Amino acid sequence: EAQVTQNPRYLITVTGKKLTVTCSQNMNHEYMSWYRQDPGLGLRQIYYSMNVEVTDKGDVPEGYKVSRKEKRNFPLILESPSPNQTSLYFCASARSQALTQYFGPGTRLLVL
Amino acid sequence: DQQVKQNSPSLSVQEGRISILNCDYTNSMFDYFLWYKKYPAEGPTFLISISSIKDKNEDGRFTVFLNKSAKHLSLHIVPSQPGDSAVYFCAADTGNQFYFGTGTSLTVIP
Repeated sequence: EAQVTQNPRYLITVTGKKLTVTCSQNMNHEYMSWYRQDPGLGLRQIYYSMNVEVTDKGDVPEGYKVSRKEKRNFPLILESPSPNQTSLYFCASARSQALTQYFGPGTRLLVL
Repeated sequence: DQQVKQNSPSLSVQEGRISILNCDYTNSMFDYFLWYKKYPAEGPTFLISISSIKDKNEDGRFTVFLNKSAKHLSLHIVPSQPGDSAVYFCAADTGNQFYFGTGTSLTVIP
């Protein structure tokens, strides 16, 4: 089954404790992206990747890092999480940047 | 600064009637416009898209209209069904970056 998976689905952590949210897709897609969804703000793009070893900043990249060492994986790293990063995070992938994206189920993060 | 705006946070429609969801944008460089549908506890799923060179695209009960001079697009759902109840996001694409609106929660009343 074609899908985008994210882990964990729910995470509670404390300020400053590094964490990684994993994202994996099995569709051999070149384009992958991370979004955060906040009330009243919709989905905002954090980082995107056009292909392996190619990443770029989206609209709200501050406080986040990503890497794209393999085509299928695109982890989101929060080196020093802060409470304002409490949000619902979605990973997405697409065959190329101009085509429709497939979204993962979301990761709900709470930073205390 | 929000480049894609959905000014109606919610909309209620009777089953069988037309649902019209609206979206405005500010960036004239957008190449593609898309609508996504989102159910609670799930990721958004793609619904329909339109290229900036077109003014209409139809797929079954769903039609998207694009008015470039007004920087406005709309999604029409005819006839509306209870299963259409969800949050709808419009999105715009510059070729590598995506911008989403804040979403409109549609409720279709049986």
